[in-house]
Amino acid sequence: NAGVTQTPKFRILKIGQSMTLQCTQDMNHNYMYWYRQDPGMGLKLIYYSVGAGITDKGEVPNGYNVSRSTTEDFPLRLELAAPSQTSVYFCASTLDTGDTYEQYFGPGTRLTVT
Amino acid sequence: ELKVEQNPLFLSMQEGKNYTIYCNYSTTSDRLYWYRQDPGKSLESLFVLLSNGAVKQEGRLMASLDTKARLSTLHITAAVHDLSATYFCAGNRDDKIIFGKGTRLHILP
Repeated sequence: NAGVTQTPKFRILKIGQSMTLQCTQDMNHNYMYWYRQDPGMGLKLIYYSVGAGITDKGEVPNGYNVSRSTTEDFPLRLELAAPSQTSVYFCASTLDTGDTYEQYFGPGTRLTVT
Repeated sequence: ELKVEQNPLFLSMQEGKNYTIYCNYSTTSDRLYWYRQDPGKSLESLFVLLSNGAVKQEGRLMASLDTKARLSTLHITAAVHDLSATYFCAGNRDDKIIFGKGTRLHILP
């Protein structure tokens, strides 16, 4: 298993541009999450999904959109990039069966908006 | 709304010493997580605590959960330099996993 994969690893965007951060997991996990981590800070939840076709807002959803058309994929869309969205973005997944809850993280995408 | 607070936020300690990181949460949490993050890396899951009184241990790290006090602790025994990292706790409520700000642990030789 590759686990949770994210692409790209790095990206520089100009203000106002849009992009999609890709996240894929091959563990058949039902729960998936997007977080952002600003320098020296903790993680803030952007969006999460409890299964295909279901998404919901986290702590800091403004400026982002997500979709979950399959169990494996959970892309994060930035429509009009702003400098405040400069951050490291982590995708994570969990198999929540009532017995197992461990959360697995992808390697992250480092995004700079200038 | 679940809020998670860790203290201390920064800890510098000598090798061989014991210390504890505290994690308080504001409302009922279905479970409590601990993670480790090395500089420039992703997060690694350490422990998931499911119920009151739960205790888990891995090497020099031991985590415990007191749901009545809404408190989890991560205890480090006889610290070694390899344990230098940032440690996060997180709680879970209504399917959301919410993180604390992290404790940056620096272990001096």
